[in-house]
Amino acid sequence: NAGVTQTPKFQVLKTGQSMTLQCAQDMNHNSMYWYRQDPGMGLRLIYYSASEGTTDKGEVPNGYNVSRLNKREFSLRLESAAPSQTSVYFCASSEARTSGRASDEQFFGPGTRLTVL
Amino acid sequence: GQQLNQSPQSMFIQEGEDVSMNCTSSSIFNTWLWYKQDPGEGPVLLIALYKAGELTSNGRLTAQFGITRKDSFLNISASIPSDVGIYFCAGRTSGTYKYIFGTGTRLKVLA
Repeated sequence: NAGVTQTPKFQVLKTGQSMTLQCAQDMNHNSMYWYRQDPGMGLRLIYYSASEGTTDKGEVPNGYNVSRLNKREFSLRLESAAPSQTSVYFCASSEARTSGRASDEQFFGPGTRLTVL
Repeated sequence: GQQLNQSPQSMFIQEGEDVSMNCTSSSIFNTWLWYKQDPGEGPVLLIALYKAGELTSNGRLTAQFGITRKDSFLNISASIPSDVGIYFCAGRTSGTYKYIFGTGTRLKVLA
C-alpha cells in the first residue's frame, strides 16, 4: 500500500516547454487534488476531481490542465511553462463520501519540485 | 484566493513547553483538519474535526473545532525536538470537495 505517489520528484524546465506531472493513489479514493506550495503562501488548489470523469478549477488554474485518467490516476499538465510556475506541486486524494460521516481527510504525495528557467 | 488566517506565523519554544496555534476564517466550515509538514515532505494529517465544539487528541496533540465553526485550535503539550516543522490547518465548507489551507505555523523547538 503505497498511498499517493508522484512522479517526477524533481524537474527543471525552460520557459515554454511542456510537461505532465503524474499522480496515482491506491486507496480507492474518489477525490483527487493538485496543489502548489510557494514560500509563505501555504497550499493553493489548482484543480480537483471530485470523482472519476469530473474535474473542476480551484483557486489558481491558469496555465494548467488536468486529466482524471481513471479512479487511480490524476495528471497535471503545463502546456507552456513560465517562471511563475516554479513551485512545489502536491497531489492529494480523499475518500469524500457524500453520505454519513464523510471520511474526507486528504492524504498527500511527496511532491514534485519544479523549476522553470 | 481565499486562505485561512493562521497564527502565529512562526514560533521558537524551549523543549518541554506547551504550544498553541489557531486558525480563523470568515466562512463557516464543516470540517477542520490539522497537518504537519516536515522539510522536503508532503503534509501528513494529524487530526480531523467534524463537529462544532469537538475536542480530539492524538498523543500530545489536541485540537478543537470552535463553537462558531469559524475557528480551530491546535495544542502541543511538552514539545520535543521532532515537533519541528510547519503546521497547517485546512477547512471545508458544506457542499464542496474543496479545502482551504492556512498559511502555516513554523515551529522551531530549542533543545
